[in-house]
Amino acid sequence: QKEVEQNSGPLSVPEGAIASLNCTYSDRGSQSFFWYRQYSGKSPELIMFIYSNGDKEDGRFTAQLNKASQYVSLLIRDSQPSDSATYLCAGNSGGGADGLTFGKGTHLIIQP
Amino acid sequence: GAGVSQSPSNKVTEKGKDVELRCDPISGHTALYWYRQSLGQGLEFLIYFQGNSAPDKSGLPSDRFSAERTGGSVSTLTIQRTQQEDSAVYLCATEREYTGELFFGEGSRLTVL
Repeated sequence: QKEVEQNSGPLSVPEGAIASLNCTYSDRGSQSFFWYRQYSGKSPELIMFIYSNGDKEDGRFTAQLNKASQYVSLLIRDSQPSDSATYLCAGNSGGGADGLTFGKGTHLIIQP
Repeated sequence: GAGVSQSPSNKVTEKGKDVELRCDPISGHTALYWYRQSLGQGLEFLIYFQGNSAPDKSGLPSDRFSAERTGGSVSTLTIQRTQQEDSAVYLCATEREYTGELFFGEGSRLTVL
């Protein structure tokens, strides 16, 4: 059974601080990883993806991947109240629906 | 269109009635997923279409649920004899070719009274 685990939260972070969201996965065949942001009452939107070990930066967001530890994280620098949302982690080992696994999400709250 | 379009955005129905939910994918995206999301819960995979291949129906919760995709484009999810536990948001997503990057529609919120 392929699993992607996330702490459901809520994770509360003061405005301006760094928010750190973590995800672990069970399938060593997973090749690519995705972070989706879902605002309350809205559908998920892709914000970052990462394929290689190490860090990938995009603006205030940094995705980190450690395949040896089967660990993925998302850092949000200079957190803003508009970053308050649920963040879904997903892993993909290819092969269609069977290869794509979503975590249940972490609810992030940025306190003004 | 530029994004995934779903209709209706909201549907209220009585228990026992049939409902149809529609998804218009992003042009050129051959892979299409249906998910269900209950309030405060994660995404529940329902069904996956890829080109002309047989769909992966492994997530459908019962035989009251079915889906089709005509001409590799528009998809319809049908729920027969709806039950109150079917109340949820039904999300359609298409995939940038073989990348795992999904683009979601705004969802269809189903309420079964």
